[in-house]
Amino acid sequence: GENVEQHPSTLSVQEGDSAVIKCTYSDSASNYFPWYKQELGKRPQLIIDIRSNVGEKKDQRIAVTLNKTAKHFSLHITETQPEDSAVYFCAASMGVTDKLIFGTGTRLQVFP
Amino acid sequence: NAGVTQTPKFRILKIGQSMTLQCAQDMNHNYMYWYRQDPGMGLKLIYYSVGAGITDKGEVPNGYNVSRSTTEDFPLRLELAAPSQTSVYFCASSYSRGQGYEQYFGPGTRLTVT
Repeated sequence: GENVEQHPSTLSVQEGDSAVIKCTYSDSASNYFPWYKQELGKRPQLIIDIRSNVGEKKDQRIAVTLNKTAKHFSLHITETQPEDSAVYFCAASMGVTDKLIFGTGTRLQVFP
Repeated sequence: NAGVTQTPKFRILKIGQSMTLQCAQDMNHNYMYWYRQDPGMGLKLIYYSVGAGITDKGEVPNGYNVSRSTTEDFPLRLELAAPSQTSVYFCASSYSRGQGYEQYFGPGTRLTVT
């Protein structure tokens, strides 16, 4: 069935360094790829998303890249800050529907 | 706007009991979703609805039922609770035309079945 693999499961970086999280998806019809941030005990919140007709999107310190041929997409956080510490989830649409398949999450820790 | 609200925040059920998790949104979103999140895992879609009167199964629907009589409300029913249903349940909504729009999540309901 459809699935999304996410790596790494944990990531520790020093404040100011960059962090990269990678996801691969199986459904070649997927066309929407959001990233969610979830702080401990809180709800997931969208931080950035990309659609299949775009290869890269940037929002301040956060960027997402998409390679449709290879079926993978990545989240890049530059100049990390302690408040970036959270669990990050990637997701891919089930085909061209609005249903999402989520990855298993990456716990990012940013040390001062 | 309150956004997406869920009640209760916490609940402990005994095996075999039933309950309804409530979800409401005031953003006039047509799509609504129920997810469960097990410890250290991602979210799994249980059921979703594209509008009042229309519901469909997600990845893990067994043991659950839903209804959508209004645009605002999307309750999730657990019948004969089992320990495997111990999880955090999130409701979400989006305004969608089928091309992928932001899903707004509620605060979650933490359910323990013992």
